[in-house]
Amino acid sequence: GQSLEQPSEVTAVEGAIVQINCTYQTSGFYGLSWYQQHDGGAPTFLSYNALDGLEETGRFSSFLSRSDSYGYLLLQELQMKDSASYFCAVSGNTPLVFGKGTRLSVIA
Amino acid sequence: DVKVTQSSRYLVKRTGEKVFLECVQDMDHENMFWYRQDPGLGLRLIYFSYDVKMKEKGDIPEGYSVSREKKERFSLILESASTNQTSMYLCASTAGGETQYFGPGTRLLVL
Repeated sequence: GQSLEQPSEVTAVEGAIVQINCTYQTSGFYGLSWYQQHDGGAPTFLSYNALDGLEETGRFSSFLSRSDSYGYLLLQELQMKDSASYFCAVSGNTPLVFGKGTRLSVIA
Repeated sequence: DVKVTQSSRYLVKRTGEKVFLECVQDMDHENMFWYRQDPGLGLRLIYFSYDVKMKEKGDIPEGYSVSREKKERFSLILESASTNQTSMYLCASTAGGETQYFGPGTRLLVL
C-alpha cells in the first residue's frame, strides 16, 4: 500500500521561511506532488518532483530524495495569503495518493 | 484554462435519498476522479475513470457508484444516502500528467 506522513499544523511569521516535510511509503514510485488548498477552495497544483533535488518556482521550492522516501515544500518570504492547507501526494502504479495535509498559519 | 465544474456547491439531502453529483471538465481529459474530503483525513479516492464507460474503485467505494457515459462528464451516485456520507466531494481530471485539476467541490449534508 501507500502512505504519507506530514505535520498536521505549522505556524510561521510573515516574511519568514517555512518547510513542510513529507515522508512516504509506496510501491512503484513515480513522483511527489504538492497541492495548496485555501479554506473553502479547491486544491491547486503547486509542484511535481520526479527526480532527486530541488525545484524552484518563485517563492516556492520543492525537494525530493527518492532514497530517503522524503520530500519537502519550502515557502519563502511568507505572505498572509499563503495561509492554507498543503498536501503532498505520491504517484505510482495507482492513482495519486494524498497525505492528510498540513495547515499553515502565517501570523503577523 | 482548464475548467472543472460541479453541479452544486451545497446540497442537503435526507437519509435514504438517491443523490447525484455531476462533474464536467472542458479540456478533453481522459482521466477523472472523485474524492471525499473530511477534516483530518485528507482526500480519499472514491472512484476513478480512465476512459468512457470505464470505472475503477478507489480506496473507499462502499455506498457509492459512478457513471461515465461521455468523456467530459463523470457522475458520482449515492444510491441511498446516509449521514456518514456528509462530506466535501471533490472531482478532478487530468490528461495523464501529474497535474490534477479540481472542481470547486460539493459540500453535502445528509440529515
